[in-house]
Amino acid sequence: DVKVTQSSRYLVKRTGEKVFLECVQDMDHENMFWYRQDPGLGLRLIYFSYDVKMKEKGDIPEGYSVSREKKERFSLILESASTNQTSMYLCASSRVNIQYFGAGTRLSVL
Amino acid sequence: GQQLNQSPQSMFIQEGEDVSMNCTSSSIFNTWLWYKQDPGEGPVLLIALYKAGELTSNGRLTAQFGITRKDSFLNISASIPSDVGIYFCAGYHSGANSKLTFGKGITLSVRP
Repeated sequence: DVKVTQSSRYLVKRTGEKVFLECVQDMDHENMFWYRQDPGLGLRLIYFSYDVKMKEKGDIPEGYSVSREKKERFSLILESASTNQTSMYLCASSRVNIQYFGAGTRLSVL
Repeated sequence: GQQLNQSPQSMFIQEGEDVSMNCTSSSIFNTWLWYKQDPGEGPVLLIALYKAGELTSNGRLTAQFGITRKDSFLNISASIPSDVGIYFCAGYHSGANSKLTFGKGITLSVRP
């Protein structure tokens, strides 16, 4: 079974803090993705990566950056967290078309 | 960009009932996927469809890839309380660089 693991299920941070969300997959997938999920808005793609050290902007990259130093790990970084970044963050990985998701990190920025 | 339309946003059914959901697009897709998200969890793949007209079942779930390649349907038969959750459709079209397009999801509630 494919396993995508997100390091935290719940996080509470303060405005202005630097926040790291970590994601690890164990299936040697080339592609990895970060989404945020908000009520009524569905899943919105923040960033994705096709390979180590490669990254591409998704639909809503503003306020976020990513890092992919190893194939199995894809990190989402909030350089200076703001209250409008309170959301559910989902990581996914894929080899071709089917994306497999982690359990999500619910981030609250106070 | 591409959009997938799912409506209504919420559905309420009685335990034991069947329910149908559809997903439509203005563009052609090569692959259709249906995911379910339990409360507080990440989406889990239910069914994948790769060919126009394809009909695939997974237990009480049946999904179809529309002939026009612009729509897909998911049916749940004899619903049970654990069917509660958000059901997303997702599609992939060539040239999308492995990016999936997602619908906004339908929240299903099942009354015992």
